[in-house]
Amino acid sequence: DADVTQTPRNRITKTGKRIMLECSQTKGHDRMYWYRQDPGLGLRLIYYSFDVKDINKGEISDGYSVSRQAQAKFSLSLESAIPNQTALYFCATSKRGGQPQHFGDGTRLSIL
Amino acid sequence: AQTVTQSQPEMSVQEAETVTLSCTYDTSESNYYLFWYKQPPSRQMILVIRQEAYKQQNATENRFSVNFQKAAKSFSLKISDSQLGDTAMYFCAFMKEPSNFGNEKLTFGTGTRLTIIP
Repeated sequence: DADVTQTPRNRITKTGKRIMLECSQTKGHDRMYWYRQDPGLGLRLIYYSFDVKDINKGEISDGYSVSRQAQAKFSLSLESAIPNQTALYFCATSKRGGQPQHFGDGTRLSIL
Repeated sequence: AQTVTQSQPEMSVQEAETVTLSCTYDTSESNYYLFWYKQPPSRQMILVIRQEAYKQQNATENRFSVNFQKAAKSFSLKISDSQLGDTAMYFCAFMKEPSNFGNEKLTFGTGTRLTIIP
C-alpha cells in the first residue's frame, strides 16, 4: 500500500460544485502539505500543516480550505469550484528538520 | 521570498550519454536545503537527491550527482549513463532552514522535461 494515499485519483465536476480531496498517510509524519501543479508553473503550495492544531496558508490559498482531521489525514476543499482550479493536486508529508517531502500520486481535477 | 529558476524547459539526450540539468536560486539565507524531484509520465513525484547547503561535498545517488555552487547559487543535476527510464520532468526545489515557526516549505522551479532517446 502507498505511504501517502490521495483520493480520488481523477475527478471531473462542474462549476460551482463543492469538492473535497482527501489525503491519508501511514508514514507517521507530522507535516502535511497540499500543492497544485499547472503546466509551465511547477508546483505551488496551497496550504500546509505542521500538526493537528496548526494550519497555514501557502502562496495560492484563495478559493481553497483545508481540514486536518487527524495526524494522518489532511483534506483539501474547493467550496465553489471554478474552471481555473483545473489542475493536478498533490498531497505531501515530511518529518521535521529539512527532510524531503513524500508525495501522493496526485488527483487530476477537471472543472467544466 | 525565495525563487528557483530552471532555464531549460526541455532537453533530450541519447541513451547512455550524460546530461546536466541547470537550476539557480535566489535567497538571502545562509543555511538551506536543495532537492531534485523526478516526475515520470506516471505523474508520481519521486525524490532524486537532497543537498544540505552547509555541506561542501556534492550529494550523489548512484548515477545522479549534483554540482552545488553556493556562492553562485547554482544547483545542477548530472545524470550519467542515461536510461530510458530517466525520461521525466525534473524539478529543482528549495527549502529554508527550519525554525521554531516552521519554514519547511518547498519552493519549486518550473521544471525541465528530459527525454532519453533510444
